[in-house]
Parts: sequence; C-alpha cells; structure tokens
Amino acid sequence: GNSVTQMEGPVTLSEEAFLTINCTYTATGYPSLFWYVQYPGEGLQLLLKATKADDKGSNKGFEATYRKETTSFHLEKGSVQVSDSAVYFCALSDQSNYQLIWGAGTKLIIKP
Amino acid sequence: NAGVMQNPRHLVRRRGQEARLRCSPMKGHSHVYWYRQLPEEGLKFMVYLQKENIIDESGMPKERFSAEFPKEGPSILRIQQVVRGDSAAYFCASSPSGTGSGSFGSGTRLTVV
Repeated sequence: GNSVTQMEGPVTLSEEAFLTINCTYTATGYPSLFWYVQYPGEGLQLLLKATKADDKGSNKGFEATYRKETTSFHLEKGSVQVSDSAVYFCALSDQSNYQLIWGAGTKLIIKP
Repeated sequence: NAGVMQNPRHLVRRRGQEARLRCSPMKGHSHVYWYRQLPEEGLKFMVYLQKENIIDESGMPKERFSAEFPKEGPSILRIQQVVRGDSAAYFCASSPSGTGSGSFGSGTRLTVV
C-alpha cells in the first residue's frame, strides 16, 4: 500500500542554516505530494504541493521537487529563521484524491 | 473568514465514557474529513463526509466510533465507551470540493484516563 517515510526529528539548526527534511514515498500510480506545517498550538497549514513528476512546489522560502525516479519530495530552505520552528509533515494523496497518507512528522527547532 | 474550528481543544474522559468532538468547516465548505494521530505517528484517515452523507468510512473502527455531518451544525465524531487506546489527537479538515488537501483545524487532543 501507499506510505510516506520522513526523517526522524527533532532536527536542530542554528538560524540562517540550510535545511533539508527528507521525505520518500511508496505509491501506485501518480500521487500528488504535500508538505504541511504545524506551528506550536495551531492547526495544520498547507505549505506547498506538487502534482506531477519534476514539479517544484515553493512557498515562504521553502521548496520541494517531486522526484519520481527516487520517489522523494525533500523539503529545503536556504536560510532558516527561529520562526520556522514547527513540526513538518509530508503527505501524499492516493488514487481517491481525497484521502491523504501522512509521514510521522519532523520537529524542527531553530536556535538563535 | 474563520478557519476550520474544532472544539474542545483538549478533552479528558474516563474509560467507558463517551467523547464528542466537533468540527465546524470553513464557510462554503461542504466536505469534511477526520484524521487521527496517535503519539509518535502520522495522521491516519478515518472518515469523509459530505453534508448528511458518509462518503468513505474505511478508516474508522467498526465499533464504538461514529461520525455525522448534519444539514445544520458542525460535524461530530463520537466515540462511545472510550478506552486508553483512543487517546490521540483528532484533526478535522474541510474543502469546497472532494479534495482532501483542504484546510485543517487545530485538532482535539483526547486523553482517556
């Protein structure tokens, strides 16, 4: 069945460091891929998405490229800020197009 | 435009009691999805509802769990005779059409003691 695997956290970085959070998936067909972010005490927010191979999703300085050959959708940011501290979830939508399959989440801690 | 509203934010129930979790979708959204997040795990799909109809409940346990989305009012996820294993965060999402990548609420954290 479909599944999503994320790197374990917490990931701790200093401000202005380069960020990569790995996400790989297993899926039949051609799923859409998503990154969600959950700031402390808040709900889940869609950060970015990609719907087909080689698409690049981007938002707020974050980017992720849909790599079908490596079944990956790694999240990157060139220079993180303290305000980026949150839990990041990678997810895919299956053939039904409404049911999301989620990774376990990666907690990111940015130190000033 | 208010986002998806879930209440309560935190709910404590003793074993055997009932838990009722509420989700008010965004204005204009008629599709609601419930997910459960167990500790240290990702979210797991439970049920998809459209006004007055259950579209897909394949992720919901067959016993003790039920969901509804009436014509008027919020969607309700009901757990009867709660057990410790029901302790989790329950998230609700809504969308204007049948795509699950909609707006999410802040979740209800259920603790069964």
